Amino acid sequence: DARVTQTPRHKVTEMGQEVTMRCQPILGHNTVFWYRQTMMQGLELLAYFRNRAPLDDSGMPKDRFSAEMPDATLATLKIQPSEPRDSAVYFCASGLVPGHYQPQHFGDGTRLSIL
Amino acid sequence: GNSVTQMEGPVTLSEEAFLTINCTYTATGYPSLFWYVQYPGEGLQLLLKATKADDKGSNKGFEATYRKETTSFHLEKGSVQVSDSAVYFCALSDLLSFQGGKLIFGQGTELSVKP
Repeated sequence: DARVTQTPRHKVTEMGQEVTMRCQPILGHNTVFWYRQTMMQGLELLAYFRNRAPLDDSGMPKDRFSAEMPDATLATLKIQPSEPRDSAVYFCASGLVPGHYQPQHFGDGTRLSIL
Repeated sequence: GNSVTQMEGPVTLSEEAFLTINCTYTATGYPSLFWYVQYPGEGLQLLLKATKADDKGSNKGFEATYRKETTSFHLEKGSVQVSDSAVYFCALSDLLSFQGGKLIFGQGTELSVKP
C-alpha cells in the first residue's frame, strides 16, 4: 500500500533551535496538508498545498513557521526559532482533488518536544 | 462557517457492547462526511465516508448514515472489540467550495473497550 512518509518520527531539541520536518506524499497526490495535534487544541490545520502552491496557511504562526514544497515528492515544515509551546505531534496528509473524492492519507507523524 | 461537533469522551465500554458516537455538523454547500480513526502512536485512517444525504458508510462493522434533516452522522457498531480502542474523529469536506478537499475535524472521541 502507498503511504505518506514523515521524518523524523521523533525530535527532541532545545528552545531556540531550528526544526525541520519532512513529508513525502503519496505519488500522484496533488494536495498536501500539515496538521498539529495537541491534547489541549486537538487537531489543527496549519497549511495546505495544491499542486505545490500554498492554498491556505492561515492556521500557521507566520513569524516562526514556514511550509514549502520544493518538489512534488517533498513537503517541509520549519520552525525557527522553536518554543516549548510548539511541542506537539505534527502530521502530514496527502490527497487527490478535485473529481472523485479520494480520502486524505495521513503519515504517522513527527512527535516534537521542545525543552 | 463549517464546523463539526462530537460527543465528548472518553467512552468506556465492555467487549461486545453496542457503540454510538454522536456527530453533528453545520455547513453551507453540500458537504461529504467522514469518520477517521487514530490508533495509539499512529496517524489518522479513513474508517468510512458518505458523500450525500441518506448515504450509509460502512467498514469493519462500523456504520454511519448521513442525515441531512438532523445534520448528523453518528457512528455505530453492534459489538465492539478490545482492538477498537482508539480515538475517532468525525469530519466534513465541502467538495464544491474553492477549498474542496480541506477537512474540518471534530475534537475526537476516545473509545476504550475493556475485556
